[in-house]
Amino acid sequence: EAQVTQNPRYLITVTGKKLTVTCSQNMNHEYMSWYRQDPGLGLRQIYYSMNVEVTDKGDVPEGYKVSRKEKRNFPLILESPSPNQTSLYFCASSYETGAPYEQYFGPGTRLTVT
Amino acid sequence: AQSVTQLDSHVSVSEGTPVLLRCNYSSSYSPSLFWYVQHPNKGLQLLLKYTSAATLVKGINGFEAEFKKSETSFHLTKPSAHMSDAAEYFCVVSDEAGANNLFFGTGTRLTVIP
Repeated sequence: EAQVTQNPRYLITVTGKKLTVTCSQNMNHEYMSWYRQDPGLGLRQIYYSMNVEVTDKGDVPEGYKVSRKEKRNFPLILESPSPNQTSLYFCASSYETGAPYEQYFGPGTRLTVT
Repeated sequence: AQSVTQLDSHVSVSEGTPVLLRCNYSSSYSPSLFWYVQHPNKGLQLLLKYTSAATLVKGINGFEAEFKKSETSFHLTKPSAHMSDAAEYFCVVSDEAGANNLFFGTGTRLTVIP
């Protein structure tokens, strides 16, 4: 089944404790992206990647890191989480850039930072 | 710069009556526009997309949207609401620099009254 998976689905952590949220897709998509969703703000893009070893900042990159060492994986790293990073996070992927292909979204990761 | 404005944060309709979710966009070029739906505790699913072909776009589950350049609008409609349509709906515009970068509206929550 074609899908985007995220782990963990729920995470409660404390300020400053490094964490990683994994994202994996099995559709051989070049493009992958991370969003955060906050009430009343819709989804905002954190980082995106057009291919392996190619990443770039989205609208709200501060406090986050990403890497794209393999085509299928695109982990989101919070080196020193803070309470304002409490949010619902979505990973998405799609076919090659240059066209408005459908983005496939993962199920989401609800992160709480205390 | 590109952006979308969803004119209603919450819409409530009775089952069997028409649905209208309003969206206006701002773009300095010919945009690609999407509607995504998010059911409670689920990821996002593409309803339909406009990519400069036909201005009336048909999507899944009986939804459709009409691109009106003169009004910079892309409203989502459905002739008859079902209980299963209750969800949050996002109007989305793509980025001119990389067509897969998406900008989301703040969302419209649709409630369907039995």
